[in-house]
Amino acid sequence: EDQVTQSPEALRLQEGESSSLNCSYTVSGLRGLFWYRQDPGKGPEFLFTLYSAGEEKEKERLKATLTKKESFLHITAPKPEDSATYLCAVGETSGSRLTFGEGTQLTVNP
Amino acid sequence: NAGVTQTPKFRILKIGQSMTLQCTQDMNHNYMYWYRQDPGMGLKLIYYSVGAGITDKGEVPNGYNVSRSTTEDFPLRLELAAPSQTSVYFCASSWRTVTDTQYFGPGTRLTVL
Repeated sequence: EDQVTQSPEALRLQEGESSSLNCSYTVSGLRGLFWYRQDPGKGPEFLFTLYSAGEEKEKERLKATLTKKESFLHITAPKPEDSATYLCAVGETSGSRLTFGEGTQLTVNP
Repeated sequence: NAGVTQTPKFRILKIGQSMTLQCTQDMNHNYMYWYRQDPGMGLKLIYYSVGAGITDKGEVPNGYNVSRSTTEDFPLRLELAAPSQTSVYFCASSWRTVTDTQYFGPGTRLTVL
């Protein structure tokens, strides 16, 4: 069975203090790994898809990387508006659904 | 494009009541999904559909029913509401496969008392 574990559960940063969020996964064959951002009271918003180990994608202050066992979401010089819950999900090559992690709640203080 | 829209935004039900959560997408996506999200938990798939007339169970289908008569609409039916169904419900859609990017609606917050 696919498993996705995100750490830490919660992270507090000062504005400008860079850090990383972790997503560890177990699948028999990875079809894709997805990162979403979710603001309070809203639906998840798509950020990135990674398909193979070694792949990297960037968007503004965010950079996602992928290995065979985990993915990192690096946040460089975060701003308060980056505060949100970040969700990771994996899709298996033969699967019929995505498996979501429980998310990391990020708070960036000014 | 409005994307994925859901109604209502909030609803309070009494135990045993029934209701339908509405979901519409205007992106001509084939796949549509219903998830529930409990506090501090990840999204759990309830049902999904790969096209009009075709639906299948996800992880947590008990207590729910779905239908898909058109490409655009994918309503979720709760027949006999129970307190365990208190949750936030999200509808999503994707173009061709379940591992294509999924686009989510704004959610419906349901409380069963």
